[in-house]
Amino acid sequence: AQTVTQSQPEMSVQEAETVTLSCTYDTSESDYYLFWYKQPPSRQMILVIRQEAYKQQNATENRFSVNFQKAAKSFSLKISDSQLGDAAMYFCAYSRGQLIFGTGTRLQVFP
Amino acid sequence: DAGVIQSPRHEVTEMGQEVTLRCKPISGHNSLFWYRQTMMRGLELLIYFNNNVPIDDSGMPEDRFSAKMPNASFSTLKIQPSEPRDSAVYFCASRNQGGPYNEQFFGPGTRLTVL
Repeated sequence: AQTVTQSQPEMSVQEAETVTLSCTYDTSESDYYLFWYKQPPSRQMILVIRQEAYKQQNATENRFSVNFQKAAKSFSLKISDSQLGDAAMYFCAYSRGQLIFGTGTRLQVFP
Repeated sequence: DAGVIQSPRHEVTEMGQEVTLRCKPISGHNSLFWYRQTMMRGLELLIYFNNNVPIDDSGMPEDRFSAKMPNASFSTLKIQPSEPRDSAVYFCASRNQGGPYNEQFFGPGTRLTVL
């Protein structure tokens, strides 16, 4: 069975600095998708970034980028120029149809 | 685009009562998912539908839970009878299966409290 592991329950970063959130997963499949979702206090699940496993190039969305290491089954999220609005729970997720979520990392951003 | 719509946003009920949660997926999406989020268990998939047909309900915790999708624009999740341990946030999500990114779009969730 596929599993997703986020080993950092909490992280903190100073405003304008860079932070990296870790995620590893386990699968025997070669074709799948990976996602990072953000959940602010409003509880809304917001898609931050996606990565197709068959693409070697790391996805980027403005200040958000990933480091996708397929052989190592690692999918970390880098947030550059952190802003106060980035404070939230971040969930890593694996998908081949269904989404399988990690346990989340709570990110605090300090001014 | 209105996004995924869920109602009610909050529900407080007493143990033993029937609870019905509602979801309207994004127009044109053909897959619908129900999730439950708790502190103890995180985000769990309860059931998902493709083209209104239930595909995998292995995540439904007990027979007290049932879900229906009578048409492409509406789904319900019913709990009968409800118990305090059902207290959680319930999310509905939809997806255009066959779309380019396989991503799911989530509704705002329903916070259920069973007293």
